[in-house]
Amino acid sequence: SQTIHQWPATLVQPVGSPLSLECTVEGTSNPNLYWYRQAAGRGLQLLFYSVGIGQISSEVPQNLSASRPQDRQFILSSKKLLLSDSGFYLCAYRGGITDTQYFGPGTRLTVL
Amino acid sequence: SQKIEQNSEALNIQEGKTATLTCNYTNYSPAYLQWYRQDPGRGPVFLLLIRENEKEKRKERLKVTFDTTLKQSLFHITASQPADSATYLCALVRTDSWGKLQFGAGTQVVVTP
Repeated sequence: SQTIHQWPATLVQPVGSPLSLECTVEGTSNPNLYWYRQAAGRGLQLLFYSVGIGQISSEVPQNLSASRPQDRQFILSSKKLLLSDSGFYLCAYRGGITDTQYFGPGTRLTVL
Repeated sequence: SQKIEQNSEALNIQEGKTATLTCNYTNYSPAYLQWYRQDPGRGPVFLLLIRENEKEKRKERLKVTFDTTLKQSLFHITASQPADSATYLCALVRTDSWGKLQFGAGTQVVVTP
């Protein structure tokens, strides 16, 4: 069976500091992977998606970037965090042909 | 672009009653529509998918309807229980797909004993 992991679970970072969030998937190969951000009381905003190693598409311009160095690894990064980067970050993979998405446990990021 | 509307007000309901949530969309009718449950501090969990040629889908105490004429899906929780308290999100597949979904903001359901 497939599982998806994210870490860290929570993170508190000062403005201007770098960021690296990691997502790994087990039990599936060459999955479509997605990074979302969810602000407090808001919906899910798609940030990046990837259909394969080294293939990243950005949904919205921002100071975040993503990389996929391995088939089952998806990383979200920033060189300098902004206050507005605070939120709940979720990684997901696509399962099957009906585009159902399976989410990781999420990372709560607070930028101070 | 597609706009998805879910009732932003929390739905407070007594245990044993049926909760009904609405998901309206504005533009194209997707091939299928999905419903997810999200608990506080957790990622969404897939519940049900309904295709455009299906009027109704059931899973245990959950029922989803899909009306492409009204551009609306209804999500029902029958015989609701306090454990059903969560936020429920609807999602539509985007036309520029690669499996991308567009999510509504969700409706919070609170079931009181």
